[in-house]
Amino acid sequence: AQSVTQLDSQVPVFEEAPVELRCNYSSSVSVYLFWYVQYPNQGLQLLLKYLSGSTLVKGINGFEAEFNKSQTSFHLRKPSVHISDTAEYFCAVSDPRLSGNTPLVFGKGTRLSVIA
Amino acid sequence: ETGVTQSPTHLIKTRGQQVTLRCSSQSGHNTVSWYQQALGQGPQFIFQYYREEENGRGNFPPRFSGLQFPNYSSELNVNALELDDSALYLCASSLSSGMREQFFGPGTRLTVL
Repeated sequence: AQSVTQLDSQVPVFEEAPVELRCNYSSSVSVYLFWYVQYPNQGLQLLLKYLSGSTLVKGINGFEAEFNKSQTSFHLRKPSVHISDTAEYFCAVSDPRLSGNTPLVFGKGTRLSVIA
Repeated sequence: ETGVTQSPTHLIKTRGQQVTLRCSSQSGHNTVSWYQQALGQGPQFIFQYYREEENGRGNFPPRFSGLQFPNYSSELNVNALELDDSALYLCASSLSSGMREQFFGPGTRLTVL
């Protein structure tokens, strides 16, 4: 069974500083990988996804992530954060062997707090 | 293009009661998935509907059931509510193609007293 571990439950960072949110997955097969963001009292918004191809994936709002198969990681990075990036971030995996839109398996989330 | 909408926004029920949550999928999407997000946790997959049929189910008991209608909107029904059912319930819609992206609604916050 697939699982996702987000190593940090909370990450405080000063405005305009870089940030990395860590995600490791467990799977015996290849995976599709996603990062979602959840702002207070809202649903989830897709930041970026890795399905195949280049291991460096660029997403919205200046975020990017790198797929590392040997380390089974998919860490999310942003070179300079803004106050508006304060939110909960979720890493998720799905099984590419299955057709259609398969269920997402989520990590527990990382709370990013940007400090002015 | 209208996104995924859910109703109601908030709901308070007592233990043992039944509840129905509703979801309207994004225009053109034929697949709806439901997730439960307990406080401080990531969302957990409940089940998925494709063309009005259940198309996959997570580790949830049968008292969690659903429907999908011809217009692809969906309902989540929970019978015999328990305190642990208190959570944010998220609906996500998607195309059945290989794009793999699921579009989430704002959720319904259910509190069971």
